[in-house]
Amino acid sequence: DTAVSQTPKYLVTQMGNDKSIKCEQNLGHDTMYWYKQDSKKFLKIMFSYNNKELIINETVPNRFSPKSPDKAHLNLHINSLELGDSAVYFCASSLGGARITGELFFGEGSRLTVL
Amino acid sequence: DAKTTQPTSMDCAEGRAANLPCNHSTISGNEYVYWYRQIHSQGPQYIIHGLKNNETNEMASLIITEDRKSSTLILPHATLRDTAVYYCIVRPLTGGGNKLTFGTGTQLKVEL
Repeated sequence: DTAVSQTPKYLVTQMGNDKSIKCEQNLGHDTMYWYKQDSKKFLKIMFSYNNKELIINETVPNRFSPKSPDKAHLNLHINSLELGDSAVYFCASSLGGARITGELFFGEGSRLTVL
Repeated sequence: DAKTTQPTSMDCAEGRAANLPCNHSTISGNEYVYWYRQIHSQGPQYIIHGLKNNETNEMASLIITEDRKSSTLILPHATLRDTAVYYCIVRPLTGGGNKLTFGTGTQLKVEL
């Protein structure tokens, strides 16, 4: 069983389109995250949700809208895709949001290519 | 979060110990040292963390200097599958959410 699963693994789309990446964790964690890894391999946090409540929002353009229907899911919707959105997006989860020694478990990543 | 400095790359012979250093000279008293690694085309993987005492688990050992300004991650018997980018991260015990700030890491190459 995959602990943190993301779909799709690969996504190729045109500029201006809207796309979503889904993430699910079966670890019983209460906190989920989205990270972005760009072409230079820098890994940066975008959002974090604890029990469906947004707790971290790292100055990400509002074209990016995370949605957490329940604490096991955190989806990422991106409107009006731009070339610079091309990256690998990683979902992660942990137990305990603000109380933080909990390790993060990452998914395998979703590679988004905007043409 | 305190900044960390790691060598860009290191090589290690298979079966030998891999010692990965990390400088975190501005670390605060309430900040932990975390190590993660990222194998090519995979998501980052937690390895170990510590505050001031040395720590060991099934993957690695973490040695933190007494002044806490630096640490070393030790993979006791490196294998080819340990080839990855290793990230040293410091973060506070509480506050700010569980925000890990990844640097550029050390590319460890384990060779025959």
